[in-house]
Amino acid sequence: NAGVTQTPKFQVLKTGQSMTLQCAQDMNHEYMSWYRQDPGMGLRLIHYSVGAGITDQGEVPNGYNVSRSTTEDFPLRLLSAAPSQTSVYFCASRMQGASEQYFGPGTRLTVT
Amino acid sequence: GQQVMQIPQYQHVQEGEDFTTYCNSSTTLSNIQWYKQRPGGHPVFLIQLVKSGEVKKQKRLTFQFGEAKKNSSLHITATQTTDVGTYFCAGGSSNTGKLIFGQGTTLQVKP
Repeated sequence: NAGVTQTPKFQVLKTGQSMTLQCAQDMNHEYMSWYRQDPGMGLRLIHYSVGAGITDQGEVPNGYNVSRSTTEDFPLRLLSAAPSQTSVYFCASRMQGASEQYFGPGTRLTVT
Repeated sequence: GQQVMQIPQYQHVQEGEDFTTYCNSSTTLSNIQWYKQRPGGHPVFLIQLVKSGEVKKQKRLTFQFGEAKKNSSLHITATQTTDVGTYFCAGGSSNTGKLIFGQGTTLQVKP
């Protein structure tokens, strides 16, 4: 099992550009989520999904879109990048009803 | 909205000393989880506590959940250099079921 994988590892964008952060898991987990991590602020939930075709907003959803067409994949889209979106982004997954969340290695995004 | 506060933000200890980080919620939690993140790494799940007053141990780590289910602590006995990292608590909201993370405590251990 590869677990939770994320691509790319690093990305630099200019303000206004768009991009998609990829996340995939091979553990057949129903629940997937996206967090951003900023210094001194812990992890904040952006969007999450309880299964294919179902997504919902977290604490800080503005500026981000998600979709969940398959159980395995949960991409995060930035439609028009802003410097405030400079952060480290983590994808996580878990079995529905389970407590243990598995995090991916993260994507470090810089918006200039 | 619901907040989860964690203190201290940083802690430097000599190897062999004990370490404690505290987590406090503004509202009653359904559960509390603890994670460890090594420098440059990703968060790794350590444990979940669900019951009021619950205490769980993992080797040198002791986790407690308060009687009112609004606070929690992680205590490490006799720290080792392998304990270096940032420890996060994450409280499960009784209303939404979502996890709210604390800001984390970064532990440095001097050999």
